[in-house]
Amino acid sequence: SQQGEEDPQALSIQEGENATMNCSYKTSINNLQWYRQNSGRGLVHLILIRSNEREKHSGRLRVTLDTSKKSSSLLITASRAADTASYFCATGGGNKLTFGTGTQLKVEL
Amino acid sequence: GAVVSQHPSWVICKSGTSVKIECRSLDFQATTMFWYRQFPKQSLMLMATSNEGSKATYEQGVEKDKFLINHASLTLSTLTVTSAHPEDSSFYICSAPRDGQLNTGELFFGEGSRLTVL
Repeated sequence: SQQGEEDPQALSIQEGENATMNCSYKTSINNLQWYRQNSGRGLVHLILIRSNEREKHSGRLRVTLDTSKKSSSLLITASRAADTASYFCATGGGNKLTFGTGTQLKVEL
Repeated sequence: GAVVSQHPSWVICKSGTSVKIECRSLDFQATTMFWYRQFPKQSLMLMATSNEGSKATYEQGVEKDKFLINHASLTLSTLTVTSAHPEDSSFYICSAPRDGQLNTGELFFGEGSRLTVL
């Protein structure tokens, strides 16, 4: 079953703008991860945030985690056309991950 | 980063035939590998956990006789779709954690294999 629900399902922005994607999950977690998938390709790990962390940065990525609300957000700042992809949150233990429904991001020139 | 190679990247076959997909960890050992299935514009659904030297663990609703998994070595897992039918057409993706890093959470994914059954 799908652990995470993401919104929006699709997001279209202009290059240079920020993109924010949200993920909600149902059960308690040890950590939450975000992955990126280019069309027709495999997934690439972006960032992992632990349950005792509230915010984490990696380059242009900023992830927040609110365990009280069982939600996380991924912010991509100063977006580029190359950021066009689907983004998934994932939760789980022992590396048995359950993925969210994903957000399809399109960054237009 | 760790590299997972998947082959073939795409395959077209006739109904009733069997198709084998390979997943290799190229620069690390992977006692455990995971097989996912993904429908167009949807999320990944875990099919099974492949364990080196033992039987795979299948998720509920996944037919083990339909999707045969063999993990013969520390770097290779194979998924065989037996007697394929058009409804088996999908994007199949494997993933693996590094051995000894099962609890770090990060998975390394293959590039996926797109199966089309005519």
